[in-house]
Amino acid sequence: DSGVTQTPKHLITATGQRVTLRCSPRSGDLSVYWYQQSLDQGLQFLIQYYNGEERAKGNILERFSAQQFPDLHSELNLSSLELGDSALYFCASSVVQGRGNEQFFGPGTRLTVL
Amino acid sequence: LAKTTQPISMDSYEGQEVNITCSHNNIATNDYITWYQQFPSQGPRFIIQGYKTKVTNEVASLFIPADRKSSTLSLPRVSLSDTAVYYCLVGNAGNNRKLIWGLGTSLAVNP
Repeated sequence: DSGVTQTPKHLITATGQRVTLRCSPRSGDLSVYWYQQSLDQGLQFLIQYYNGEERAKGNILERFSAQQFPDLHSELNLSSLELGDSALYFCASSVVQGRGNEQFFGPGTRLTVL
Repeated sequence: LAKTTQPISMDSYEGQEVNITCSHNNIATNDYITWYQQFPSQGPRFIIQGYKTKVTNEVASLFIPADRKSSTLSLPRVSLSDTAVYYCLVGNAGNNRKLIWGLGTSLAVNP
């Protein structure tokens, strides 16, 4: 157990819909990262937040947005969903900046778009 | 952004030592070299991280030559439970340098 929690575990929805994925980082971690992993693909970095502020952006579509709240939990919003958005979405957290690349991953949310 | 190259797949047998090499020719001065392990449908798990020379922990060793353009993850005496995908990453997420996750190396440990 990494200490990072994600809800829901599974999500099935239809094309065109909007969903929200939630992540709670490990206690004390200020950075939150979101990743997308499609079937048999590597991880695609989407976005990073540090203490409520956006710090780095990856291959995140304009239909996707995220935020980190004052209590440090984060939400990833996916809208106008397409079939190709079906994937595992992981959230990760890390301790402090300048400490390299050690991140703690949550169990993921499996999104299925029908 | 530092790109890495590692073998797509490897096969081994229980009890053997496995070495997975990763090349990262354009590594930057502040970049760390980090390895993760991922089982199907689970989030990646941090294995080991290094900057130069050799790092060892309870599960693996990481060898980094002086020029830092490659690194080798060494798994001693693998077991069936080590069957997983192993990712080599180069960067410094802590300093906002985005990490590039490739496809990793799919390691199959056979009985």
